[in-house]
Amino acid sequence: DAGITQSPRHKVTETGTPVTLRCHQTENHRYMYWYRQDPGHGLRLIHYSYGVKDTDKGEVSDGYSVSRSKTEDFLLTLESATSSQTSVYFCAISEDRSGIANYGYTFGSGTRLTVV
Amino acid sequence: AQTVTQSQPEMSVQEAETVTLSCTYDTSESDYYLFWYKQPPSRQMILVIRQEAYKQQNATENRFSVNFQKAAKSFSLKISDSQLGDAAMYFCAYSNNDMRFGAGTRLTVKP
Repeated sequence: DAGITQSPRHKVTETGTPVTLRCHQTENHRYMYWYRQDPGHGLRLIHYSYGVKDTDKGEVSDGYSVSRSKTEDFLLTLESATSSQTSVYFCAISEDRSGIANYGYTFGSGTRLTVV
Repeated sequence: AQTVTQSQPEMSVQEAETVTLSCTYDTSESDYYLFWYKQPPSRQMILVIRQEAYKQQNATENRFSVNFQKAAKSFSLKISDSQLGDAAMYFCAYSNNDMRFGAGTRLTVKP
């Protein structure tokens, strides 16, 4: 199985607190992605990275920031969590941005975040 | 922006029967890739099948096959000989640069 792990698997936090989710890969893939999954919306792209210190916004980036200081780690930060950010967050990796080189994206097991 | 539409929020099928899940997409690109992902209750996203838009031949993976109609921008998934383990959420996805997903179809398999 692809070496991609997300932590934590579950988290409950209070409104207004900062939260950081971690994605770690052992595949040395260039591209890493953060998606959120919500009922009725499927998965929507938050941010992605195309290399160390190289990141860009996706379609639902407001309220989120990311960092990639090492190839293997991609962090997603909610600076001040809100109830609308309650969701399941998925990290994904690929060799190229379109995902064709390794047959699509490989996903982590997700983090269920609840903001109360 | 490219959009992906799955018009069937829920579907059910009898074990050993065949079911087809629908997907349409909107794009002005001619070169892209389409995917079906399966998400069982474990939450893991599992790639089921992949189609390259420049290939006219429909992709097949064991009991899973697609009907790719490029002009109609349609990409349906057919599951033959349905098994209890096929019960899951199924997501259709389009990729030219980033990958975009439909809202999903929840498939129930009845014994």
